[in-house]
Amino acid sequence: EAQVTQNPRYLITVTGKKLTVTCSQNMNHEYMSWYRQDPGLGLRQIYYSMNVEVTDKGDVPEGYKVSRKEKRNFPLILESPSPNQTSLYFCASSFLYRGPNQPQHFGDGTRLSIL
Amino acid sequence: KNEVEQSPQNLTAQEGEFITINCSYSVGISALHWLQQHPGGGIVSLFMLSSGKKKHGRLIATINIQEKHSSLHITASHPRDSAVYICAVIKRVGNQFYFGTGTSLTVIP
Repeated sequence: EAQVTQNPRYLITVTGKKLTVTCSQNMNHEYMSWYRQDPGLGLRQIYYSMNVEVTDKGDVPEGYKVSRKEKRNFPLILESPSPNQTSLYFCASSFLYRGPNQPQHFGDGTRLSIL
Repeated sequence: KNEVEQSPQNLTAQEGEFITINCSYSVGISALHWLQQHPGGGIVSLFMLSSGKKKHGRLIATINIQEKHSSLHITASHPRDSAVYICAVIKRVGNQFYFGTGTSLTVIP
């Protein structure tokens, strides 16, 4: 089954404790992206990647790192999490080189609480 | 400054009504997406548009590139259409996504 898998789905942690949210897709998509969703602000793009070893900053990259060492995986790293990073996070992927009208496939989301 | 504006923010309709959700954007785009977010949080792509009009079942999406405006229409609305509808654009240069804040739709039986 074609899917984007995020882990963990829920995480409560403390300020400063490094964490990684994993994202994996099985559709051979070139484009992968991380978003955060906050009440009143909607979805905002954190980082995206157009292929292996190619990553770019989105609208709100501060405090986050990403890597794209393999095509299927795009982990989101919070080196020193802070309470303002408490949010609902989504990973998504799509084809890139088949034109702009490619649907994004979203993971189920990761609800992150940083105390 | 928001690159993407949606209206209305909230919408309540009676079952069977025709619904329109509007999206305006300010940047040059390569495509516009309409997304649906269910009450449980999952997000699905409904439409991807770079010109004209697309129809899928009771849903119709249109885009006017010159006016930088798109609309999502739902004909014969049903309670199962209750969800948040989100407009997203892909910036023409750089492939970055920008999102509207969403329209929360409730369809009452």
